[in-house]
Amino acid sequence: EVRLLESGGALVQPGGSLRLSCATSGFTFSSYLMTWVRQAPGKGLEWVSTITGNAAGTFYADSVKGRLTISRDNSKNTVSLQMNNLRADDTAVYFCAKGRSFESWGQGTLVTVSS
Amino acid sequence: DIVMTQTPLSSPVTLGQPASISCRSSQSLVHSDGNTYLSWLQQRPGQPPRLLTYKISNRFSGVPDRFSGSGAGTDFTLKISRVEAEDVGVYYCMQATQFPFTFGQGTKLEIE
Repeated sequence: EVRLLESGGALVQPGGSLRLSCATSGFTFSSYLMTWVRQAPGKGLEWVSTITGNAAGTFYADSVKGRLTISRDNSKNTVSLQMNNLRADDTAVYFCAKGRSFESWGQGTLVTVSS
Repeated sequence: DIVMTQTPLSSPVTLGQPASISCRSSQSLVHSDGNTYLSWLQQRPGQPPRLLTYKISNRFSGVPDRFSGSGAGTDFTLKISRVEAEDVGVYYCMQATQFPFTFGQGTKLEIE
């Protein structure tokens, strides 16, 4: 069974940093793109970042470029999102998703940016 | 960026009746590898999204056969043949042909 479990969400002040992790199991992790998607309270889905299976390629939404960094550890089957210089509009539930078609999702982790 | 436009944004449906959601992309979703990376997702209240169909018309594992995807190029449709109570939620189309990946605004399916 495919499992994805996000962690690391918290309340953080504007300008602060946070590191999200997504632990996975049940599939050949290194063979899949992995993506972070976020959902602000009461809003729709927003693509944040994707990393290729071998980590050679990383892609970011313009709204997060230069502040968020995606990475993966294929030996630990985890994908991470380092979030720096956080802003109020980064407040959202952050989901990790497997594959190009987003075939599996985690339950999400809440990031709240507020003073 | 590819803009994904869904219609309608809200769809009241009677149980047992069909429902249809349209999604139009601002440019062709045909990838250079020949695939069209258009997916439909369902998000029930309080739940993470769930994949329904991928590459236009492929139903994902465990998805009931009352859900079907169709379309080509820039116009796509999700159909539910007979709506059940558990289908209540928000439906999103999304494209993964070109970065940045983009989602439609979401269509809220409600039971009348």
